[in-house]
Amino acid sequence: DIVMTQSPDSLAVSLGERATINCKSSQSVLYSSNNKNYLAWYQQTPGQPPKLLIYWASTRESGVPDRFSGSGSGTDFTLTISSLQAEDVAVYYCQQSYSNPLTFGGGTKVEI
Amino acid sequence: EVQLLESGGGLVQPGGSLRLSCAASGFIFRNYATSWVRQAPGKGLEWVSGISGSGGTTYFADSVKGRFTSSRDNSKNTLYLQMNSLRAEDTAVYYCAKSQDTAIVGILDSWGQGTLVTVSS
Repeated sequence: DIVMTQSPDSLAVSLGERATINCKSSQSVLYSSNNKNYLAWYQQTPGQPPKLLIYWASTRESGVPDRFSGSGSGTDFTLTISSLQAEDVAVYYCQQSYSNPLTFGGGTKVEI
Repeated sequence: EVQLLESGGGLVQPGGSLRLSCAASGFIFRNYATSWVRQAPGKGLEWVSGISGSGGTTYFADSVKGRFTSSRDNSKNTLYLQMNSLRAEDTAVYYCAKSQDTAIVGILDSWGQGTLVTVSS
């Protein structure tokens, strides 16, 4: 199984400041035939189900604000919130869909 | 608008069984793979099971293999999770989620609100 490791477990960021979350996979999730990284990011606000933010490591889902961006390739990935808003307080998860079973990182809690 | 509505959760004794349902609407159900993902109280996300659009292929996490089965009725736009031999560690909110495409192990672009399963005597 591919193990997804996120860091940090939690971080506190001031409103308007940048938040950076890291995700590392135990093996590459880059599929060479199409050059796509099978890495997604989800946001879970309190009491709500997860919401897809980014897929293919850097493609924003429709409707997701452009302050959210994803980067990285192979085994190392980053989710960046460029200017934190109050509504961004949530737990963020990375997920690989490169191989069965689908696996998630442990989550990163973002607070103000 | 895609909607997924889970039902069937509740309190069950260890060793018991429960069947969860997920009613889907707003998309062509048979064209997309779907998954069950669970979240134990205060914990992270754990993928449980995935099923192809036709229902012909299913995958399971090792933690539930041999105890859980997944099926779907495309005529009713409904996904099911049959859970047998339940353990305390199966206590969680169970979400159904739609894949972005046909990939069983895929990007989950829509999620239901979840249904709580509590396994306790």
